[in-house]
Amino acid sequence: DVKVTQSSRYLVKRTGEKVFLECVQDMDHENMFWYRQDPGLGLRLIYFSYDVKMKEKGDIPEGYSVSREKKERFSLILESASTNQTSMYLCASSLDRRQGEEKLFFGSGTQLSVL
Amino acid sequence: GESVGLHLPTLSVQEGDNSIINCAYSNSASDYFIWYKQESGKGPQFIIDIRSNMDKRQGQRVTVLLNKTVKHLSLQIAATQPGDSAVYFCAEIPNQAGTALIFGKGTTLSVSS
Repeated sequence: DVKVTQSSRYLVKRTGEKVFLECVQDMDHENMFWYRQDPGLGLRLIYFSYDVKMKEKGDIPEGYSVSREKKERFSLILESASTNQTSMYLCASSLDRRQGEEKLFFGSGTQLSVL
Repeated sequence: GESVGLHLPTLSVQEGDNSIINCAYSNSASDYFIWYKQESGKGPQFIIDIRSNMDKRQGQRVTVLLNKTVKHLSLQIAATQPGDSAVYFCAEIPNQAGTALIFGKGTTLSVSS
């Protein structure tokens, strides 16, 4: 089975801190994604990556950046955390859209609280 | 922008009943659709998918129906069990290179014994 692992299940940070959320997948997937999930708003795409060192903005990239130095690892960075970034963050990966393998496999999520 | 939505935010059923969860999508160019199930404290899990060249696809106790004419997607769960209680999301991929999945807001299914 595909495994997508997010480094932390719960995080509590203070306003202004730099926050790193780490995600690792073990199935050699080409594509990786970061979503945030908020009540009433569903899943919203922050950033995604189709290859190492490549990144694409999603629907709500403001206040975030990402890093993909290795194929298996995709990091989400909050340069200066704010309270409105308190949310559940979900990492996902997929094999390869070009091969018709678009379905996403998700990690268990990181619940981030910014105080 | 394009969006995928669900008709009802919550659905309550009795154990053993059949459940139908609906989803309307707005992008007629979308060619691939997925249903996900998210249990409390977990990430979404893949249930079933369907491509736009199909109208129906069946899995174990689940069936997905696609009506492209009215841009409507539904998930049918047969003999609903308490373990089916979760939030269900539909998602679409528009037929454009480099486009990620677009998710609906979710329907919470509650199954009572």
